[in-house]
Amino acid sequence: QQQVKQSPQSLIVQKGGIPIINCAYENTAFDYFPWYQQFPGKGPALLIAIRPDVSEKKEGRFTISFNKSAKQFSLHIMDSQPGDSATYFCAVGGRSYNTDKLIFGTGTRLQVFP
Amino acid sequence: NAGVTQTPKFRVLKTGQSMTLLCAQDMNHEYMYWYRQDPGMGLRLIHYSVGEGTTAKGEVPDGYNVSRLKKQNFLLGLESAAPSQTSVYFCASSINRGSSYEQYFGPGTRLTVT
Repeated sequence: QQQVKQSPQSLIVQKGGIPIINCAYENTAFDYFPWYQQFPGKGPALLIAIRPDVSEKKEGRFTISFNKSAKQFSLHIMDSQPGDSATYFCAVGGRSYNTDKLIFGTGTRLQVFP
Repeated sequence: NAGVTQTPKFRVLKTGQSMTLLCAQDMNHEYMYWYRQDPGMGLRLIHYSVGEGTTAKGEVPDGYNVSRLKKQNFLLGLESAAPSQTSVYFCASSINRGSSYEQYFGPGTRLTVT
């Protein structure tokens, strides 16, 4: 059973565009929603994360929008740059769910062209 | 700080051979994880450990064993490798349940089983 559904699988934008990646989850017990960024040949690294008590969080050009009632959250990349080309994973986690495990989405490969 | 390191970086095995992947972290983290990453499947948890001497099964544990004899090391073993275990393996660590869910990933081990 897929507990986190991520879309789209791939995304191509031009420099300056605003790519949006979406994730939907099922279990309302989750209370931690991070996004990880992975460059080719590297391990994933935490990009930004949100808790369900806020609807939006911004860090630089990266914004998470969170819709608790719809059980969805999304990543927006403002003024995207070629250096943002990477694979992005959403994840869900929660203390009340089961220890500290994170459940990851299937990933979105983003390509930003100059 | 080296962070999370993995040995080896690449390995080719023949079906039926065994091997051990080593993960080491120098951040004094309590929790450690082993994931496998396959195209279109995201990151799937194999086994994890919440402290020295403890291990637990993740989402896809079959065919793998783990040990955590020292806090800083987490070993992943394949007793009899199968082609289905061809994948990129990532180790990760995190501080503890009370403070942060952030997981720090190693650079990965690319394993091919022929």
